[in-house]
Order: sequence, then C-alpha cells, then structure tokens
Amino acid sequence: GQNIDQPTEMTATEGAIVQINCTYQTSGFNGLFWYQQHAGEAPTFLSYNVLDGLEEKGRFSSFLSRSKGYSYLLLKELQMKDSASYLCAVRDNQGGKLIFGQGTELSVKP
Amino acid sequence: DAGITQSPRHKVTETGTPVTLRCHQTENHRYMYWYRQDPGHGLRLIHYSYGVKDTDKGEVSDGYSVSRSKTEDFLLTLESATSSQTSVYFCAISDRQGVSQPQHFGDGTRLSIL
Repeated sequence: GQNIDQPTEMTATEGAIVQINCTYQTSGFNGLFWYQQHAGEAPTFLSYNVLDGLEEKGRFSSFLSRSKGYSYLLLKELQMKDSASYLCAVRDNQGGKLIFGQGTELSVKP
Repeated sequence: DAGITQSPRHKVTETGTPVTLRCHQTENHRYMYWYRQDPGHGLRLIHYSYGVKDTDKGEVSDGYSVSRSKTEDFLLTLESATSSQTSVYFCAISDRQGVSQPQHFGDGTRLSIL
C-alpha cells in the first residue's frame, strides 16, 4: 500500500530552527517533493530529493534517506511568514504520479 | 508564477446538479492533474491527463469525469453532485513526467454541495 506520514501540527519560535519529518512506504519511488501551502492558497514547490543526502536552498534544506523511507524539511531562522502547512509528496514509478501526505501545520510564534 | 487559471473560484450548488470546473494553462505543459483537498486527507488525485484526449484515473475518481480537447484546458465534471464532493479542488500542471519537474498548482476552486 501507499502511506506517507507527517506530524499533524508543530509550533516553533521566530528565529529558531524547526525540522518537519516525513516517512513513507510506497510501492515505488521516483523522488520526494516538499510543498508549502499558506491557508487558502495553492501549494508552492519548495524542494526535490531523489538521491540520499541534503539539498540546501537558502533558509530551507531537505534531506532524504531512501533505505529508511525518511525525509525531513529543515527551516532555519524562522519568520512569521513561515507559518503554513508543509506537504510531503512521493512520486511513484507507475506513471510518475504524486502521493501526498496529510501535511504538517506549522505555527511560528513571536 | 505558472500560468494556471481555475474557474470558478467558488461555487455553491445543490445535490444532484451537474458541475464543471475548468483549468486553463498558458504554459503549454503536457501533463495536467485534478486533486481534491479535504481536512485529514491531504491532496488526493482524481484524474490526470498526459496529452490531448489522453486521461487516466487517480485515487478517488468515482463520481468524476474529465475531458481534455485542447492542450490548455482540462475540465472536471461532477455528473450528479453529492455532499461528499464538497471540497477544495486544485488543478496542477507539469512539463515532464518521471524527472525532477515539480507540479505547479492553480489557486483552487472551493465547491460546496448543499
């Protein structure tokens, strides 16, 4: 079966670092995506990992371990505008469709 | 921003009526997708298209049909809407499949079935 797990909610303080975890069990794997979604808006693409290791993009980094079926999104120097839902999605190898987790609602407090 | 327009943005209708949602893109991308997003379920794929007149079912396709007569337009139809189809519907597009190209999303349609 297909299963992607993320924590439902997280809270962090402005200026801090937060790590959002994602574990997956899918019938195939062809890359993992992270999206950010502000309330009432469309998801926007943040990062993509297909090989093991860390990908860094400014304040955001994403890590992948294929053997463990595990990824995390690391957000540094948190800002209030980072309050949003963060979606983990795995691309399968049957037509390349995306399978999404339920998303993690991150609240950044002053 | 990817040129994706969804219409209407909001719709309220009654059970049993037909509803058609439109996704229009100006990027000339080959792949188009329809998702629904519900609390506790995340984004779930309804149908997708890999070219003009080429479509396939997703995870939650029952009660929905799609058509793609032109590259730029992908229509989602609820033949006889039910209250369980109340949701936010997102269209997405991507240029290529099976590589690192992400999907880009439209702004969504909030649909309420009373």
